[in-house]
Amino acid sequence: NAGVTQTPKFQVLKTGQSMTLQCAQDMNHEYMSWYRQDPGMGLRLIHYSVGAGITDQGEVPNGYNVSRSTTEDFPLRLLSAAPSQTSVYFCASRVADTQYFGPGTRLTVL
Amino acid sequence: GQQLNQSPQSMFIQEGEDVSMNCTSSSIFNTWLWYKQEPGEGPVLLIALYKAGELTSNGRLTAQFGITRKDSFLNISASIPSDVGIYFCAGHAGTASKLTFGTGTRLQVTL
Repeated sequence: NAGVTQTPKFQVLKTGQSMTLQCAQDMNHEYMSWYRQDPGMGLRLIHYSVGAGITDQGEVPNGYNVSRSTTEDFPLRLLSAAPSQTSVYFCASRVADTQYFGPGTRLTVL
Repeated sequence: GQQLNQSPQSMFIQEGEDVSMNCTSSSIFNTWLWYKQEPGEGPVLLIALYKAGELTSNGRLTAQFGITRKDSFLNISASIPSDVGIYFCAGHAGTASKLTFGTGTRLQVTL
């Protein structure tokens, strides 16, 4: 049972480039979400999904897109990377009241 | 966006000491969760609390759901070096509600 997996683990982008962070879970959880973690800021919610075909914005959605075509996958797209998006990104899936996190993607935008 | 007030921000303690940290919220939560994050890893769930006044243990860790439903506490007894990490509280108001995180307590344990 792999739980929540994320790829890549590390990524360096130039300003203006686009990329997709991958997230998958094998626990059949309906609820998935993306967070970013910055020093001293804790975890901030970017986007979330309560099931396939349904997504909604979190507290810091600007510059990011998501889609949820299957229960298992929840990719996060950066449309035009900016240095302010340098951060560690965590995907999570949730069942009832309990949320499980992936190992994270460390993104640097130059 | 809403965040929980978590304190202290950091702690430096000696091995064997007990540790206490807490979270407070301006709104009522139905669930409180405590996570630990080690360097380079995602947060790992330690304890989940579902009822006001509930006291739950996981080994040397004990957490309480405050009776006002606006706060929670985590205690670590007899700390050891592997307790080092960042501890996050999190809460939500219902199963379909977003999870709100505290800003974390960074724990360092010296020998």
